Amino acid sequence: DTEVTQTPKHLVMGMTNKKSLKCEQHMGHRAMYWYKQKAKKPPELMFVYSYEKLSINESVPSRFSPECPNSSLLNLHLHALQPEDSALYLCASSQDLRGTKNIQYFGAGTRLSVL
Amino acid sequence: RKEVEQDPGPFNVPEGATVAFNCTYSNSASQSFFWYRQDCRKEPKLLMSVYSSGNEDGRFTAQLNRASQYISLLIRDSKLSDSATYLCVVTYYSSASKIIFGSGTRLSIRP
Repeated sequence: DTEVTQTPKHLVMGMTNKKSLKCEQHMGHRAMYWYKQKAKKPPELMFVYSYEKLSINESVPSRFSPECPNSSLLNLHLHALQPEDSALYLCASSQDLRGTKNIQYFGAGTRLSVL
Repeated sequence: RKEVEQDPGPFNVPEGATVAFNCTYSNSASQSFFWYRQDCRKEPKLLMSVYSSGNEDGRFTAQLNRASQYISLLIRDSKLSDSATYLCVVTYYSSASKIIFGSGTRLSIRP
């Protein structure tokens, strides 16, 4: 079982709603990641936090806003999403970003539907 | 050209067969390499890290060829439970860090 916990498991929201996805890990990892995955496609990296600082932003639209309140938590705030944003959102963590410590462990994901 | 390319699949092989996948990468500065497995509607799970010296875990062997810029995964004596999508992951860190997943190879093992 994954040690990265994501909530909620499923989320349905309208285009005018504001919602947040949450991710938590207690493995002492210092790097955390958000990915978006569409059906039959590989995960696409969105954001990476390293030591609670945003390290990578893959030119994600501003309607997705990440937040890392502490080393165990990662949030993704959603506002004014479009139907094409419907996807599986995966969180991952790793000990560190570099070298042999960047093995990523994934949460089970939040399946998001935007109506 | 994509930065990371995988065999397109799908591979449909009988139980007990040996099957091999390749994954090529274009950036010679790439530093870390992994194989992940993803079952339908589940999260990716690490299968193996890949090193230049090669590594083996039971029926699975992974190799890295830096000169030709590819990684490979060999599955021997395949089981029905090996049916999944196999994703290669390539990472490098410089002025522009990158973590790139290959498009995945679907493997189906038939009885």
